[in-house]
Amino acid sequence: GAGVSQSPSNKVTEKGKDVELRCDPISGHTALYWYRQSLGQGLEFLIYFQGNSAPDKSGLPSDRFSAERTGGSVSTLTIQRTQQEDSAVYLCASSLGGTTNTDTQYFGPGTRLTVL
Amino acid sequence: DAKTTQPNSMESNEEEPVHLPCNHSTISGTDYIHWYRQLPSQGPEYVIHGLTSNVNNRMASLAIAEDRKSSTLILHRATLRDAAVYYCILLNYGGSQGNLIFGKGTKLSVKP
Repeated sequence: GAGVSQSPSNKVTEKGKDVELRCDPISGHTALYWYRQSLGQGLEFLIYFQGNSAPDKSGLPSDRFSAERTGGSVSTLTIQRTQQEDSAVYLCASSLGGTTNTDTQYFGPGTRLTVL
Repeated sequence: DAKTTQPNSMESNEEEPVHLPCNHSTISGTDYIHWYRQLPSQGPEYVIHGLTSNVNNRMASLAIAEDRKSSTLILHRATLRDAAVYYCILLNYGGSQGNLIFGKGTKLSVKP
């Protein structure tokens, strides 16, 4: 079946502009995660959605970052007033339940964001 | 959060077995051990997970020490496609919301 998809695959923007990154999770998955990976760095957790619960925003680096998940499916990560340090690959993952220790996360291919 | 320690890099020859170690001396009784890998220019992919017993699947085997303070991911016959960064992660929903905490992982190089 279809995996996690993300769009766009690449995004180049100018400093100070807003960007929106989209994630389509696997159908039926109730949990959705956003991570980012800066060049040569490990993956950093950003935000987590589980069903209808309030999202866990503990990983968002600043108030310029926000995310929403509409209808329990598609999610959009928005970065306002982008800065050069926001340049990274933004990865989305989804999982079936998100509440058990055996839960497996399925990752999308990522969106490479470059802020000039 | 419980942490893991892995070697920064390892090398293997194609078609030989690879043993990737992970230390997790502060593991709690309910932490599951998960392994993911990230191929170049791709998102991470799940490899295997276990709690106490050794586990096998089509991709790899996971050997867990009796005291659970360490584990080893075993690739039985490395291929060039197995060149990736391998992450050992402890997961416990009781202590977090379920996000994976990635360390730096082990970069595996496979030589033909």
